[in-house]
Amino acid sequence: RKEVEQDPGPFNVPEGATVAFNCTYSNSASQSFFWYRQDCRKEPKLLMSVYSSGNEDGRFTAQLNRASQYISLLIRDSKLSDSATYLCVVTPTQGGKLIFGQGTELSVKP
Amino acid sequence: NAGVTQTPKFQVLKTGQSMTLQCAQDMNHNSMYWYRQDPGMGLRLIYYSASEGTTDKGEVPNGYNVSRLNKREFSLRLESAAPSQTSVYFCASTASGANVLTFGAGSRLTVL
Repeated sequence: RKEVEQDPGPFNVPEGATVAFNCTYSNSASQSFFWYRQDCRKEPKLLMSVYSSGNEDGRFTAQLNRASQYISLLIRDSKLSDSATYLCVVTPTQGGKLIFGQGTELSVKP
Repeated sequence: NAGVTQTPKFQVLKTGQSMTLQCAQDMNHNSMYWYRQDPGMGLRLIYYSASEGTTDKGEVPNGYNVSRLNKREFSLRLESAAPSQTSVYFCASTASGANVLTFGAGSRLTVL
């Protein structure tokens, strides 16, 4: 089993739609969780950290479910500019190496 | 604000040739990393350096060597390139104890 798994997609949604991605992790002791965004042929960039209580940044909401060992990313009112690959990232130990999921591709259509 | 700078951006090699990918950061970060990214595989860690003078293997180190030349620079060397090493390579850095990575723009390597 991979340490971090994501649905690779692609998710094809119309503008204005709400879309959610899930990511599961295998190490129950994992400490830190993040979502990165990667545009085509570019480097990954941090989108948001994921906190235990859940957190929101504008149209983006991230949640953590430790009991079921998954994190989620919800995008409301999708924009064309949201089209990208979204990478789930987990740190098994505090300050340890980051483990990347394979990414979920999102395509927002007019 | 250069951040993390990688060179070269593109390279084509023949099987058996050697080359070095260069990476430098100007953020005074202690930790530096080399990842490769292949379609459907996500980013896989090749080597990392927690601090100047130390290096450790990641998930896929075979066929690569690294040098942490100083705090700023972390190079990745392919001694004898193979077609399986065709990939996009990303260098990244982070401050000690922090988990947020800053990536370079990537180096696209093709081995024929």
